[in-house]
Amino acid sequence: GQNIDQPTEMTATEGAIVQINCTYQTSGFNGLFWYQQHAGEAPTFLSYNVLDGLEEKGRFSSFLSRSKGYSYLLLKELQMKDSASYLCATLDSNYQLIWGAGTKLIIKP
Amino acid sequence: GAVVSQHPSWVICKSGTSVKIECRSLDFQATTMFWYRQFPKQSLMLMATSNEGSKATYEQGVEKDKFLINHASLTLSTLTVTSAHPEDSSFYICSARDLERETYEQYFGPGTRLTVT
Repeated sequence: GQNIDQPTEMTATEGAIVQINCTYQTSGFNGLFWYQQHAGEAPTFLSYNVLDGLEEKGRFSSFLSRSKGYSYLLLKELQMKDSASYLCATLDSNYQLIWGAGTKLIIKP
Repeated sequence: GAVVSQHPSWVICKSGTSVKIECRSLDFQATTMFWYRQFPKQSLMLMATSNEGSKATYEQGVEKDKFLINHASLTLSTLTVTSAHPEDSSFYICSARDLERETYEQYFGPGTRLTVT
């Protein structure tokens, strides 16, 4: 079967660092995406990993371990505007996106 | 680049009527477009995959006769909710893949909020 797990909700403090984990079991693997979705808006692309390792992009970094079926999104220097849902999605053997349920991140001052 | 538009942004209709939602890729060609539905505080739910010039592929549990999808060109796909009922009220989002990119990234439209009274 296909399954993607990520925490339902996380809380962090402005200026701090937070790591959102995602574990997956999918039929075939052609990469993993992270999207950000603010309430009432469509998702926006954050990152794409297909090789093992860490990819840094400004305050956001994404890590992938294919052998462990694991990824995380690291957000540094948190800002209030980072309050959103973060969606993990994998690309399966048919190049279809399989979506996780999303992690709601709450940033407190 | 890679901008996707949706129209309308929001719509209110009466029960029993039909509503058409348009999804356009503005600056790229999209052989494949996707239609999602999202209920409050829930994740995206893929309804169907739309390929230009062919019939859409619907996910299990999605009624193809109720949610009509047409992908007539490389830049336009439409979703028509026929005989809408209050339970069809939701946030409908389309996305598209850029023909020339190899990352399989999906570019999302801004979404259409449908309320059926």
